[in-house]
Amino acid sequence: EVQLLESGGGSVQPGGSLRLSCAASGFTFSSYAMGWVRQAPGKGLEWVSGISGDGGSTYDADSVKGRITISRDNSKNTLYLQVNSLRAEDTAVYYCAKMEYQLLSSVAYWGRGTLVTVSS
Amino acid sequence: QLVLTQSPSASASLGASVKLTCTLTSGHNNYVIAWHQQRAEEGPRFLMKVSNDGGHIRGDGIPDRFSGSSSGTERYLTISSLQSEDEAVYYCQTWGVGFHGMFGGGTKLTVL
Repeated sequence: EVQLLESGGGSVQPGGSLRLSCAASGFTFSSYAMGWVRQAPGKGLEWVSGISGDGGSTYDADSVKGRITISRDNSKNTLYLQVNSLRAEDTAVYYCAKMEYQLLSSVAYWGRGTLVTVSS
Repeated sequence: QLVLTQSPSASASLGASVKLTCTLTSGHNNYVIAWHQQRAEEGPRFLMKVSNDGGHIRGDGIPDRFSGSSSGTERYLTISSLQSEDEAVYYCQTWGVGFHGMFGGGTKLTVL
């Protein structure tokens, strides 16, 4: 059974940084692209970033480009998202997502999400 | 520029069928899309992929009450024999070079 467990969310002041983690199990982690999707309170889903199975390609949304770094450790079956210079508009639930294939493709599985609140 | 457009809301009666639409920007007829369901206070769940020829592939454990189809730039999700648990927001998604992963605004389905 595919399981995606996010962690690292919490309350952060504007301008701060945060690193989210996603522990994956139930599948061959290195064979699939992974990604992060966020949802601001009361809003829809927004693509944040993705990374290919081998980590060689990344797919960052223009809205966060330059402030985020997605990475993965295939030896630990873990996906990461580093977010810097946090703004109030980054407040959202961040979902870890498993893609269908090795490269950018449909989201096939979702985690339960971790809440990030940016506030002074 | 590719945009996915969904009606904000839809409603249908218990036991009836409903067809939700995701419209791709003109000229983007060939894109495959995915449908995701998000019930209140829950994370999203992948339902199916729908290709430009109307073929669809459901995700694990998704009942065959859910089906997909396609016509031109429109991709559809049809839910038959509506149940109260189908009340949710439904998002379409596509992906590709330059815009990576993209979601429509979502359709909130109310089961009457």
